Order: sequence, then structure tokens, then C-alpha cells
Amino acid sequence: QVQLQQWGAGLLKPSETLSLTCVVYGGSFSDYYWSWIRQPPGKGLEWIAEINHSGSTNYNPSLKSRATISVDTSKNQFSLKLTSVTAADTAVYYCASHVVTRLDYWGQGNLVTVSS
Amino acid sequence: QSVLTQPPSVSAAPGQKVTISCSGSSSNIGNNYVCWYQHLPGTAPKLLIYENNKRPSGIPDRFSGSKSGSSATLGITGLQTGDEADYYCGSWDDSLGIGVFGGGTKLTVL
Repeated sequence: QVQLQQWGAGLLKPSETLSLTCVVYGGSFSDYYWSWIRQPPGKGLEWIAEINHSGSTNYNPSLKSRATISVDTSKNQFSLKLTSVTAADTAVYYCASHVVTRLDYWGQGNLVTVSS
Repeated sequence: QSVLTQPPSVSAAPGQKVTISCSGSSSNIGNNYVCWYQHLPGTAPKLLIYENNKRPSGIPDRFSGSKSGSSATLGITGLQTGDEADYYCGSWDDSLGIGVFGGGTKLTVL
């Protein structure tokens, strides 16, 4: 059974950099793409980016200029950095495993609030 | 504005059946599998349906999925109060090169 545990700062000021990390327990790290998804308050889900064990990435075009996803296979971890955050980046951020379109396993979610 | 289009809300009585539609285009649903997720407040979304109509282990057969062209439908029979949640469709978009979701449908079991 795959389990994902995520962490990162919950309160940021505008223009700061969001940083989140997700560690994967169980399963085979190389079997999946590892994704970040977010949900702003009162809105729907948005796929931010994903990466596989070899570092191949896909980004949402709307966030590509500010987002960087990275992987550390030695620790079964992957991370997201989002620069120059604004209030519009306030959301619950989830990490998740992705294979053949489906998101099988999810982290617990982190609320990130951007406020001055 | 979500790439995939879902109705904002649906409702039905306990024991009844409800369907939730999801409309996309040839770059996403029309050329890729569809998934459905159940999202309860304060929890992570849960995979209900994958590859258009398959259920993960542990998902009851009250939940079903179908796809036709660039649209998909989630069906839920024998509605229970515990089914009250937000439901999201998802797919891959070949043009965007990333996964996409619908805006979510809030199910109310009256």
C-alpha cells in the first residue's frame, strides 16, 4: 500500500516562495509520476505539475513560469516550489501518485495561505 | 474556468439514482481515459472510477462510469446520505500536456 506524507510552510507573504515536500512510503517509486494538485477555497481542483523517478516533468502552462518540481529518489521524495506567490495561490495543496490518467494515492493536504 | 464541464450541483432522495455529466473535447476526454473522484470536506479526494468505467478495490458497484465521445458520466445508485460530497471528473489533456479536472459537482442527498 502506497502512503504519501507531505509538509511545508502554511503561511506566506506575497512575493515569497512556496515550498512543499512529499515522501512516499511503500510501493515502487519508479512506477508512477508524482504530482502536485491544488484546490483554492471554494474552487475546483487544479493539476500543477508532475515528475517521474528519472526527472521527466510536465507542468500546467498557467503555472510553468513560477513552478519547479523536483525529485530525490534516494529519499523517495518529491518537492514543489512556487515563486512570487499571491493571494490567488492560497489553496489546499495535495501530492498524489499518477499512472495512466488516474490519481491513485493522495497526501493529506496542506493549506497554504498567502497574506500580508 | 475548468477545462472539463460539470453541473455545479445535483440532488436526489436516498435510495434513488443520480448521474453526473462531464463534458470535454477531443484533446482530453475524446482521446484519453476519464477518472472520477469523491471529495469530502477536510479529506483528500478519493478515486472512484478509473479508465472510464473501472472501480478500484473497495469501491461499491453502486458507482459506475461511462464515456461516449468527448463526454463522460458518473452514475450512483442506491443513494446514501454518506454519498453527499463533491465529485470531480478528470482526464489528461494532450494539448496542455497536463491533467485536467471538471469544476466539481456537489451531490445533495435530500
